Amino acid sequence: GAVVSQHPSRVICKSGTSVKIECRSLDFQATTMFWYRQFPKKSLMLMATSNEGSKATYEQGVEKDKFLINHASLTLSTLTVTSAHPEDSSFYICSAVFPGLETLEQYFGPGTRLTVT
Amino acid sequence: SQQGEEDPQALSIQEGENATMNCSYKTSINNLQWYRQNSGRGLVHLILIRSNEREKHSGRLRVTLDTSKKSSSLLITASRAADTASYFCATALYSSASKIIFGSGTRLSIRP
Repeated sequence: GAVVSQHPSRVICKSGTSVKIECRSLDFQATTMFWYRQFPKKSLMLMATSNEGSKATYEQGVEKDKFLINHASLTLSTLTVTSAHPEDSSFYICSAVFPGLETLEQYFGPGTRLTVT
Repeated sequence: SQQGEEDPQALSIQEGENATMNCSYKTSINNLQWYRQNSGRGLVHLILIRSNEREKHSGRLRVTLDTSKKSSSLLITASRAADTASYFCATALYSSASKIIFGSGTRLSIRP
């Protein structure tokens, strides 16, 4: 099946620094990718829709200046957490849409665990 | 707010028994999907059922969809220890077939 990778898998950073997380579709081109955030033992919360070549669409309550998304190519989307604070610590997961015949299937990356100290 | 709510929040059963998880949602949907997540890992797509379908099978999985009640169920038959995971339903709304919203999830534990 289609493969989506994320890098890094884990990152620890100090408060006030910025962290970039990459999401790559390895064997298909994805015009659309999604970024989710997941707190411990909770569900996934959709943060934004990343479209190649255009600005990301953010969900209500998600700060676009805080979570910068760049979909630079058909296989790469990046999420940058700017001026990170401890409350930004979370599990971040991306997904890429695989353009199938009937439905638009999503394939998920393995996630990135961010810890802000 | 999340589209779906799942119950139970947690379920513990003996290996070999069947596990049933339920999902309810609020608005019209294009399709509903079920995912599995092992602790601290990414999601694995299990099955997708379209709004015009009522039941779907895949191996030991059986999914039903009742659009009149805005609910779905996931049945795992003959459970195994490896089925221990969190299970999430996710709905794709009519307005955007690819954007999906996740339910609250059910944590399933299979006792050996």
